[in-house]
Amino acid sequence: DGGITQSPKYLFRKEGQNVTLSCEQNLNHDAMYWYRQDPGQGLRLIYYSQIVNDFQKGDIAEGYSVSREKKESFPLTVTSAQKNPTAFYLCASSIGGYSYEQYFGPGTRLTVT
Amino acid sequence: AQSVTQPDIHITVSEGASLELRCNYSYGATPYLFWYVQSPGQGLQLLLKYFSGDTLVQGIKGFEAEFKRSQSSFNLRKPSVHWSDAAEYFCAVYGQNFVFGPGTRLSVLP
Repeated sequence: DGGITQSPKYLFRKEGQNVTLSCEQNLNHDAMYWYRQDPGQGLRLIYYSQIVNDFQKGDIAEGYSVSREKKESFPLTVTSAQKNPTAFYLCASSIGGYSYEQYFGPGTRLTVT
Repeated sequence: AQSVTQPDIHITVSEGASLELRCNYSYGATPYLFWYVQSPGQGLQLLLKYFSGDTLVQGIKGFEAEFKRSQSSFNLRKPSVHWSDAAEYFCAVYGQNFVFGPGTRLSVLP
């Protein structure tokens, strides 16, 4: 079955540590996205990538980094510079550019204490 | 800049009742419009989308939405709600970029 995989489902880290969230898709989609979701808020775009080896900052990129070395993979690193990293993180992909509908993974809930 | 509003933070309906979730957008032209649903702790699932053409679009799970240009709205409807429809619903708009609304939480009473 085609889809988007995010692992792990739950992640716990101590403050000051970097942590990498995995996102893999086998939909052969060109574009991939990372969103952050906080209670009572919509989704906020962190980074997106429309092709391999290229990515752009979204609305809240500070304290985060990404890479896109392979078409199917788009890992997100939450660095120690992110002031409030505890959140639900969603990865998505779309067949082409930004105008196409996005398909979402199941999400990773990150808790930093 | 474009924006999306969902005026209702939380709606409660009885099972079997009809449902309408509101979505209004601000954009200079006709954007692409989407409705997504999210069950607790899960990712988002696309319910339906509007790009052009017929302003009444049908989606999955018995949902439909109507685009009204004059009102800058794209409201989601379902004639008879099931308990399994309880979830968070997000309207999204693509104009210059992709923007999600804040969501409406739907509760369903037995």
